[in-house]
Amino acid sequence: KAGVTQTPRYLIKTRGQQVTLSCSPISGHRSVSWYQQTPGQGLQFLFEYFSETQRNKGNFPGRFSGRQFSNSRSEMNVSTLELGDSALYLCASSLDRGNSGNTIYFGEGSWLTVV
Amino acid sequence: QKEVEQNSGPLSVPEGAIASLNCTYSDRVSQSFFWYRQYSGKSPELIMSIYSNGDKEDGRFTAQLNKASQYVSLLIRDSQPSDSATYLCAVIGNTGKLIFGQGTTLQVKP
Repeated sequence: KAGVTQTPRYLIKTRGQQVTLSCSPISGHRSVSWYQQTPGQGLQFLFEYFSETQRNKGNFPGRFSGRQFSNSRSEMNVSTLELGDSALYLCASSLDRGNSGNTIYFGEGSWLTVV
Repeated sequence: QKEVEQNSGPLSVPEGAIASLNCTYSDRVSQSFFWYRQYSGKSPELIMSIYSNGDKEDGRFTAQLNKASQYVSLLIRDSQPSDSATYLCAVIGNTGKLIFGQGTTLQVKP
């Protein structure tokens, strides 16, 4: 069974640009969550989608947005990129909602560098 | 107070020893607890999940949960150099969000 797939794996963007990251969850999983990981802040929760609806949101500015499609695939978008947005962006999927206790599996991540 | 707290380490143990990793959490109604291992440059990988008080063993790993003390730990027996990684404690609280601690770096020395 295929794992969580994230694309692109690596990308470099310029300040002010926008970026879209994609995530395909494990087949049958309906919950997709996004996390930002930086050396200083660790893993921080961005948002969770379940059945195309955003069910939870972390403390990030409105420049960070996401969506989920009917096939459970998800995208996140960051607009007006700042240097501080350089990070590893991780997508995770689970069978059901996050608070159901189902195991959460991570993708390999998308490494974003903003210059 | 951080929602999930871990000592960042590094925790250094000799090969073959028991490594003990600790984590405390602030949300008293948290119900689901996880330990992830993350190698440098890689994504987190689930090692253990635990939902009820007590111990849960899986091979060389034992997770311990004490909800009254809001404390969860991970013991690694017979530590190997390949266990050297960052161990992340994660908790799902009432909000449904999976919140991670900062992680503890474990170094197992041959």
